[in-house]
Amino acid sequence: QQQVKQSPQSLIVQKGGISIINCAYENTAFDYFPWYQQFPGKGPALLIAIRPDVSEKKEGRFTISFNKSAKQFSLHIMDSQPGDSATYFCAASTIYNQGGKLIFGQGTELSVKP
Amino acid sequence: DTGVSQDPRHKITKRGQNVTFRCDPISEHNRLYWYRQTLGQGPEFLTYFQNEAQLEKSRLLSDRFSAERPKGSFSTLEIQRTEQGDSAMYLCASSSTGRENTIYFGEGSWLTVV
Repeated sequence: QQQVKQSPQSLIVQKGGISIINCAYENTAFDYFPWYQQFPGKGPALLIAIRPDVSEKKEGRFTISFNKSAKQFSLHIMDSQPGDSATYFCAASTIYNQGGKLIFGQGTELSVKP
Repeated sequence: DTGVSQDPRHKITKRGQNVTFRCDPISEHNRLYWYRQTLGQGPEFLTYFQNEAQLEKSRLLSDRFSAERPKGSFSTLEIQRTEQGDSAMYLCASSSTGRENTIYFGEGSWLTVV
């Protein structure tokens, strides 16, 4: 019940295209859903996050869509750029319990071709 | 605010030796987390502290692993009698309590056990 399942494992997108990464969770107590971006040899960096009281959040080219009833959320990267090539992790936590520890998905390796 | 700092960044050790990693969190953060990440996987939660109290330990944290945060500031993660399976990146992260408890990660400490 603590798992977060992420797909696809890898994704190749042309420059200017839309990258879509999906995640599903089981624990209905989760109330915070961040996406992290990780470059090789670096630690994960927060990209964007959403709480279950909204269905969508947009920051620049990055949008999270959230479907509470389906227990799914996704990251959309509009106008994908070669600099977006990285590994993306979805995560989930319960803000007010268990110290807000994050449970991560397995990651999606994104490659944006010029 | 210099972010989460980890030391050393890389460590190669022989099987059976002990290793210790240090983490300095963001100064005003009272929560500190340790995660482990292997190639191609998402970070896995190991343990977290709130101030100096260690509040949760994952079953992944065997008896050979010990973490401390003696004064509620920096933390150490010690691995005794290292095994080849301990080879991974050890990530430290920190956050504040409250609604906006974004978790910030350090660059990680790479451990290779030979």
